[in-house]
Amino acid sequence: KAGVTQTPRYLIKTRGQQVTLSCSPISGHRSVSWYQQTPGQGLQFLFEYFSETQRNKGNFPGRFSGRQFSNSRSEMNVSTLELGDSALYLCASSLFGGSQAVNSPLHFGNGTRLTVT
Amino acid sequence: GQQLNQSPQSMFIQEGEDVSMNCTSSSIFNTWLWYKQDPGEGPVLLIALYKAGELTSNGRLTAQFGITRKDSFLNISASIPSDVGIYFCAGSTNTGNQFYFGTGTSLTVIP
Repeated sequence: KAGVTQTPRYLIKTRGQQVTLSCSPISGHRSVSWYQQTPGQGLQFLFEYFSETQRNKGNFPGRFSGRQFSNSRSEMNVSTLELGDSALYLCASSLFGGSQAVNSPLHFGNGTRLTVT
Repeated sequence: GQQLNQSPQSMFIQEGEDVSMNCTSSSIFNTWLWYKQDPGEGPVLLIALYKAGELTSNGRLTAQFGITRKDSFLNISASIPSDVGIYFCAGSTNTGNQFYFGTGTSLTVIP
């Protein structure tokens, strides 16, 4: 069974640009969550999508957005990139999400390493 | 946001020794998860805990959900070199997938 797949693995962008990251969940998983990992702040929750609807949102500015498609695949977009957005962006999938996320642990992909110069 | 205190920050142990690490929270959690992350990879789920007092094992790993619901610990018995990595705890206060992560415990196993 294939795991969570994230593309691309590495990205280098310039300040002010925008970027789109992609995530394919484990087959059968319907919830996708996004996390940002940095040395200073650790792992921080961005948002969760379940059944194409955003269910939870972390404390990040509106420049960070996402969406989920009918096949459960998800994309995350960051607009007007800042140097501080350099991080490892991790996608995690689980069977269920939102209020149905009981006994449904997160399984992570290997992330997209974003560098903003 | 929620604060998860994970300790110790790092450990250097001899191969064969047992390891213990823990996480404490300022809030009550409904779920505790433990992960291991190797360089350049995403966190890998080790153990999931869903009930206060629950004790769960996965091979040489054992984790417990504290009865106060504000803490959890992970034990590794008879450590081996491949146990090297960073271990994270994660807790959730609601039924969604918004988890708060500890700052990690870096484990080094000396052969």
